[in-house]
Amino acid sequence: DTEVTQTPKHLVMGMTNKKSLKCEQHMGHRAMYWYKQKAKKPPELMFVYSYEKLSINESVPSRFSPECPNSSLLNLHLHALQPEDSALYLCASSAGGTDSGNTIYFGEGSWLTVV
Amino acid sequence: GQNIDQPTEMTATEGAIVQINCTYQTSGFNGLFWYQQHAGEAPTFLSYNVLDGLEEKGRFSSFLSRSKGYSYLLLKELQMKDSASYLCAVPRVVGFKTIFGAGTRLFVKA
Repeated sequence: DTEVTQTPKHLVMGMTNKKSLKCEQHMGHRAMYWYKQKAKKPPELMFVYSYEKLSINESVPSRFSPECPNSSLLNLHLHALQPEDSALYLCASSAGGTDSGNTIYFGEGSWLTVV
Repeated sequence: GQNIDQPTEMTATEGAIVQINCTYQTSGFNGLFWYQQHAGEAPTFLSYNVLDGLEEKGRFSSFLSRSKGYSYLLLKELQMKDSASYLCAVPRVVGFKTIFGAGTRLFVKA
């Protein structure tokens, strides 16, 4: 079982809606991530938080807004999405540091459909 | 820059052995990961190699040659449940960015 939990597992939203994806980890990891994955494609990095501070934003459109309330929680706020944003959104965490500290542990993902 | 290449698809028979190759070009090296992803599920960690050689873990083994920029994942005694995508991934030396290969979809047939 994954130790990174995400909610909701499935979300259908209209293009004018505002919704949020939530993620939690209790492994004491210092880095948390949001990835987007389309069918038959590898995960694409969206955001990285390190010690609760945003350290990487991969030029993600502003309709996606990340938030890290504390070291265990990571949210992704969604607003005015487009149908092409429909994908599997994966939260992940890693211990940080060198070598195996880069191991990324993924949550089960949130399937998002924008209608 | 960083680039990772792996075959798109492979098919193998239950009980057989299959080798999934990965070649990479990176500026600096901080280890190589293999992840397994079943359809509709999240990737799960399989192995990590940072030194040259073979790491064995049950039916799965992973090999690394840093001088050749090459790794492979070896799956023995294949089972139907091994049908999945296998992702080769290389973390950046600095920072928290990990580059994923496109993945190899393995089909195990009876």
